[in-house]
Amino acid sequence: ESQLVESGGGLVQPGGSLRLSCVPSGFIFSDYWMSWVRQAPGKGLEWVANINQDGSQQYYVDSVKGRFTISRDNAKNSLYLQMSSLRAEDTAVFFCARGGQGKYTTLFDWWGQGTLVTVSS
Amino acid sequence: QLVLTQSPSTSASLGAAVKVTCTLSSGHHTYAIAWHQQQPDKGPRYLMQVNGDGRHSRGDGVPDRFSGSSSESGTERYLTISSLQSEDEATYYCQTWGTGFQVFGGGTTVTVL
Repeated sequence: ESQLVESGGGLVQPGGSLRLSCVPSGFIFSDYWMSWVRQAPGKGLEWVANINQDGSQQYYVDSVKGRFTISRDNAKNSLYLQMSSLRAEDTAVFFCARGGQGKYTTLFDWWGQGTLVTVSS
Repeated sequence: QLVLTQSPSTSASLGAAVKVTCTLSSGHHTYAIAWHQQQPDKGPRYLMQVNGDGRHSRGDGVPDRFSGSSSESGTERYLTISSLQSEDEATYYCQTWGTGFQVFGGGTTVTVL
């Protein structure tokens, strides 16, 4: 069975930085688009960023452009989200999600359990 | 702009059926969508894909009590849960995608009475 395990969340001050990691298992990581999705407390799901199979394409929601960077290391079987200039409104549970295998990203067919990021002084 | 609209909540009795609706914005009626279930304090779970023609394909291990369909006009996608069980009490999100981006509906919370 496929599995995605996120880590790296925690409490950070406004303006600070944090790096999230996601470790997959049960499938060939390098075959899939991967994404980060977040959920603010009591709110719905919000897509944050996508990355294609070899890391050559990255896409971001406008609110994080220039502050967040999605990356992957297929040799280490890991997905990352480097977050900087964090704001209180970035407070959320961040989920790692698996996308499609093709040339374009599609639906998410597997999710992690999430890691909580709290931005507060 | 691609937008998905969902009603915030609905309810149905144990053992009954409930239908959750996801409305696509104008001009986007051919888009496929995915349905995801999120139980309280858990990560989302993929349920199925629903195409514009109403065909659907469930994810691994998803019971056939869950089914998908589409309106004749194509502007709405549906998730129907039959024989409602207590563990079906959750928030259900629709999702669609374009080149490089993803969009979620606001979610519909299903309460089992």
